[in-house]
Amino acid sequence: AQTVTQSQPEMSVQEAETVTLSCTYDTSESDYYLFWYKQPPSRQMILVIRQEAYKQQNATENRFSVNFQKAAKSFSLKISDSQLGDAAMYFCAYPNEYGNKLVFGAGTILRVKS
Amino acid sequence: DVKVTQSSRYLVKRTGEKVFLECVQDMDHENMFWYRQDPGLGLRLIYFSYDVKMKEKGDIPEGYSVSREKKERFSLILESASTNQTSMYLCASSSSGSANYGYTFGSGTRLTVV
Repeated sequence: AQTVTQSQPEMSVQEAETVTLSCTYDTSESDYYLFWYKQPPSRQMILVIRQEAYKQQNATENRFSVNFQKAAKSFSLKISDSQLGDAAMYFCAYPNEYGNKLVFGAGTILRVKS
Repeated sequence: DVKVTQSSRYLVKRTGEKVFLECVQDMDHENMFWYRQDPGLGLRLIYFSYDVKMKEKGDIPEGYSVSREKKERFSLILESASTNQTSMYLCASSSSGSANYGYTFGSGTRLTVV
């Protein structure tokens, strides 16, 4: 079975600092996409960033960037200049072996201290 | 703004009741999904649908059924609610057979069975 592992149940970061959330996954596919979703206290899941596995360049969206290590099957999310509004649960996800649905990790709760 | 709307934000039901959770999307998406979210377990797929009147079991379908009579609406049914079905339920939709474009999520329904 495909698995997604988020080894950090909780993380804390000081406002304006940088934090990295880790994610590892297991797939035999060579071409796939990886996702980070944010779930704030409002519960609305929001897509933060998407990475295509065949692209060498790490995806970036404003203060959010990824460190994608394909050989290591690692997909970490870096949040720079952390803001109070970044406090949320973050989920890593990727498509299953048939490519028709997403498999999610257990999530990491991020707390931002002012 | 594209939307996935879940009809109830909070529900409290009694053991043995039949419970309906409704989800409507306005994006003309073919695919719709029901996930259950529990602490430490992430999101687990209950059922999904690729088309009207079509459904497939996910990873944890026991105790649940679904209905998709119209393209925009996907209902999750708890035939006889039990306390172990107390959870957060998330509905999602996507535009194609591939999960590579990610999902759009609803805001979730927190169900408590007493």
